[in-house]
Amino acid sequence: EAQVTQNPRYLITVTGKKLTVTCSQNMNHEYMSWYRQDPGLGLRQIYYSMNVEVTDKGDVPEGYKVSRKEKRNFPLILESPSPNQTSLYFCASRWQGANIQYFGAGTRLSVL
Amino acid sequence: AQTVTQSQPEMSVQEAETVTLSCTYDTSESDYYLFWYKQPPSRQMILVIRQEAYKQQNATENRFSVNFQKAAKSFSLKISDSQLGDAAMYFCAYRSPTGTASKLTFGTGTRLQVTL
Repeated sequence: EAQVTQNPRYLITVTGKKLTVTCSQNMNHEYMSWYRQDPGLGLRQIYYSMNVEVTDKGDVPEGYKVSRKEKRNFPLILESPSPNQTSLYFCASRWQGANIQYFGAGTRLSVL
Repeated sequence: AQTVTQSQPEMSVQEAETVTLSCTYDTSESDYYLFWYKQPPSRQMILVIRQEAYKQQNATENRFSVNFQKAAKSFSLKISDSQLGDAAMYFCAYRSPTGTASKLTFGTGTRLQVTL
């Protein structure tokens, strides 16, 4: 089954404690992205990757890092989380020749 | 930069009735893609319908159809014969064919309530 898998689905952490949200897709997609969703703001792109070792900032990259060492994986790293990073996070992927983005199930992050 | 505006934070429709959700966008591009996504309480993002700007014909997927007005930069979603399962947050989204290749620009969403 074609899917984008995010882990964990829920995470509660404390300010400053490094964390990683994993994202993996099994469709051999070139493009992968991270979004955050906040009430009243919709979804906003954090980072994206066009292929292995090719990443770039989206609209709200501050406080986040990403890496793309393998085509299937695109982890989101918060090295020193702060309460304003409490949000719902989505990973998405797309084949370069297609129009449809596939979304993961979302990760609900709370930073205390 | 492109922007997407959904001016209706909440809408309500009775079961079996028709409802239209509004979306406008701002762009200087002539070619682009537009989408409507549904987000039920499970939080999953589900693609409802998509439209390529170069196509004049409005897209239709079963009970869902769009009214795409390119000159007016309007992309509304019509849901016919509304069902309880249609209750969700609906997001309108825009994607440019160039630049940040994978970026979707989302509106702020419209929460649709379906009543008996």
